[in-house]
Parts: sequence; C-alpha cells; structure tokens
Amino acid sequence: ELKVEQNPLFLSMQEGKNYTIYCNYSTTSDRLYWYRQDPGKSLESLFVLLSNGAVKQEGRLMASLDTKARLSTLHITAAVHDLSATYFCAVVGAYSGAGSYQLTFGKGTKLSVIP
Amino acid sequence: GAGVSQTPSNKVTEKGKYVELRCDPISGHTALYWYRQSLGQGPEFLIYFQGTGAADDSGLPNDRFFAVRPEGSVSTLKIQRTERGDSAVYLCASSLKQGYGYTFGSGTRLTVV
Repeated sequence: ELKVEQNPLFLSMQEGKNYTIYCNYSTTSDRLYWYRQDPGKSLESLFVLLSNGAVKQEGRLMASLDTKARLSTLHITAAVHDLSATYFCAVVGAYSGAGSYQLTFGKGTKLSVIP
Repeated sequence: GAGVSQTPSNKVTEKGKYVELRCDPISGHTALYWYRQSLGQGPEFLIYFQGTGAADDSGLPNDRFFAVRPEGSVSTLKIQRTERGDSAVYLCASSLKQGYGYTFGSGTRLTVV
C-alpha cells in the first residue's frame, strides 16, 4: 500500500524567510504532484514531477524529486503572505490491475506566512 | 464547461437520509475520479471511471456508497443511509489521460446532522 508522509504538518514563518516542505512516499512511483488549497477552496495544481532529478520552479516555489530516496521537496524562497495556504503532495502509484492511476495524498502542510 | 463543476456546493442532510452528489467533468475527459476529504486531512480516493464503467471502486468505504456515470460524462455519487461520519468534502477530478493532468472541482461539502 502506498503511503505518503509530509512534514511539517504546520508551518508558521515570517515574510522574507526560506523554508522547505518534505514529502516521503513508500513505494515506487513515476509521478508526483504538488497542490495548493486555500480555505474552503479546491485543489490548484502547482507542479508535476515526472522523473528522478526533476526540478520545477514557479515564482517563489521550487519543487524537486528524488525517486531513489522517494522524496520530494517544496522549497519556499522569501515567503510572502499570499503564499499562506495548505500544500499537498500526491503520488501516483505504479500501475494497478484496475489501471486507475489514483492519487495518494499526504496530510498536507498548513503554511502561515506572518507579515 | 471550462472546469469541473460539482453540485450542490453544500448539502446538509439528516442521518439516515439518501443523498446524491453530481460531478460534471471537463468536456472530453474520459477519466473521472471521486475523492473524499475530511477536515484537516488530504483527499482520499473513492472511485475511478474510465468512460462509463467503474474501473476501480476500491476506495468506497462500504456498500452505502455507489457511483454511476451512465453516458461517460456526468457522474453521480450516491450515499444511502447517511451517517455523521460521512460528513466531509467530496471532490471530483477529471483528466484527459489517466494519470495525468487532473483537474479538481470545487467540491461538495456534505454535513450529516
């Protein structure tokens, strides 16, 4: 069974600081997603990482993937208040007999950026 | 439509009642997924449709939950004899190709009182 663990689950940081969110997963996967969720809203796709060593950046967020370590990181640079949200990583498991490619989510990291 | 549409956005029902939640995926997306998100948790997989058929229903918690997609487009998640533990946000996602490019709807917040 695929398990996805994120840490920290809660993160309070000051504007202008840097921090990293970690996502570990338990079995082989070839696709990892990062999503953002604002309170009461749905999931907004941020990044999809498809291969070992993949790195993607958008604004102050950068995501990377190490498939050998089964680890992805989401790095926040010079945080601003607008980044306050809950961030989820989600992993697509290896092909199952039913072929669903379902996403397995971590519990999320609730980020609060304090002015 | 431009995105995945879910209705209603909020549903309050009494324990023991039957509810239906609707998902209208992006036009042309053959893959459709239902997830359930409890407060403070990540979404959990319920069921996957490829076209009209339920290709994977391994996430449905029990036989009170059922979903259909009769014409390969709109899907309905049906919950019988609702229980307070069913209270959650039910999210629908669709994708053009299974495993890629999931687009999530805004969800239906179900409250069982």
